[in-house]
Amino acid sequence: AQSVTQLGSHVSVSEGALVLLRCNYSSSVPPYLFWYVQYPNQGLQLLLKYTSAATLVKGINGFEAEFKKSETSFHLTKPSAHMRDAAEYFCAVTGNQFYFGTGTSLTVIP
Amino acid sequence: SQTIHQWPATLVQPVGSPLSLECTVEGTSNPNLYWYRQAAGRGLQLLFYSVGIGQISSEVPQNLSASRPQDRQFILSSKKLLLSDSGFYLCACDSYTGELFFGEGSRLTVL
Repeated sequence: AQSVTQLGSHVSVSEGALVLLRCNYSSSVPPYLFWYVQYPNQGLQLLLKYTSAATLVKGINGFEAEFKKSETSFHLTKPSAHMRDAAEYFCAVTGNQFYFGTGTSLTVIP
Repeated sequence: SQTIHQWPATLVQPVGSPLSLECTVEGTSNPNLYWYRQAAGRGLQLLFYSVGIGQISSEVPQNLSASRPQDRQFILSSKKLLLSDSGFYLCACDSYTGELFFGEGSRLTVL
């Protein structure tokens, strides 16, 4: 069975600081992994996805994530946080359906 | 790429009243469709998914039902709303590239 765990339901960073949002997955098959962003009162928007090609995946808005099979991780990073990055972030893995993590709320402090 | 339309965007309903949330998809045919719910401050809960017209699978027993009368139309309904039905409802469809596309959501407040 597939599942994802997002460590830290709330993360705060200063503007300009590194953003690191953690995601660990469990999958019995080679996974497809995703990061989505949700701004207040909006739907989810795809940031990036891993589909067994390059292990370092670049997404929109300067975000990237690295697939590490040995650590079963797919952490999301951005070198320099911007105020507009404040949102809810969801990690997801696919099996016979999508399995979402419980989300991480990112606050950016000016 | 796909576009998903949801309406209404916001809804305030009394307890015991009926509900109908609609979702339509453009830019694809025969998609798999999904209804998710987000309660305040919580993650996504899969409620229903559909692989075709008239084919509905329920993930969580509850007060809600879903129907798919047309290939690109997905409806979430209730005959009598409960307070616990309040939340943010998201319609989604999959794509040939593997990701889910989401609509803008419908916020339901039951009073």
